[in-house]
Amino acid sequence: SQTIHQWPATLVQPVGSPLSLECTVEGTSNPNLYWYRQAAGRGLQLLFYSVGIGQISSEVPQNLSASRPQDRQFILSSKKLLLSDSGFYLCAWSQPPILATEAFFGQGTRLTVV
Amino acid sequence: EDKVVQSPLSLVVHEGDTVTLNCSYEVTNFRSLLWYKQEKKAPTFLFMLTSSGIEKKSGRLSSILDKKELFSILNITATQTGDSAIYLCAVEEGIQGAQKLVFGQGTRLTINP
Repeated sequence: SQTIHQWPATLVQPVGSPLSLECTVEGTSNPNLYWYRQAAGRGLQLLFYSVGIGQISSEVPQNLSASRPQDRQFILSSKKLLLSDSGFYLCAWSQPPILATEAFFGQGTRLTVV
Repeated sequence: EDKVVQSPLSLVVHEGDTVTLNCSYEVTNFRSLLWYKQEKKAPTFLFMLTSSGIEKKSGRLSSILDKKELFSILNITATQTGDSAIYLCAVEEGIQGAQKLVFGQGTRLTINP
């Protein structure tokens, strides 16, 4: 069966420090991978998605970047965090369809920038 | 710009009431519409809809899609306090090989005993 791992679960970082959040998927190959951010009590904002190794699409210009160094690994990074980067970050995967499929989510990372 | 809009943003009802949550969308290359329930952390999948007019049902929850009018509704009957959550609507869109999920802002549903 497929599983998705996302870490860390919580993170407190000072303004100006770097960030690296990692997400890995097991039990599938060539998944679509997504990074979302959720502000308190709000919906999910798509930040990046990837349909293959090294293929990253950015949805919102900002202080963050994403990389996919391996088929089932998706990394969210920042060189210098801003206060506005605080939020709940979710990684998700879906199987590239012939038919559309649901997305499966990691447990999320709550990032607080202080 | 692709967008998914949910309404209401917040809803408070009493246990036993029936609620209807709305989701409208404007996307290019629509593929499917999905509903999720988010209680604490990861959203959990409820329904996926690809065809108009076919109701999907799971217990007290049901959902239907109208691809002509570009909206979907999620109904919950005989609500219980455990139904309290954020309900997220998402639309999968894009051409083959470049699909993505676009989420609405969610409806925060509170069921009071």
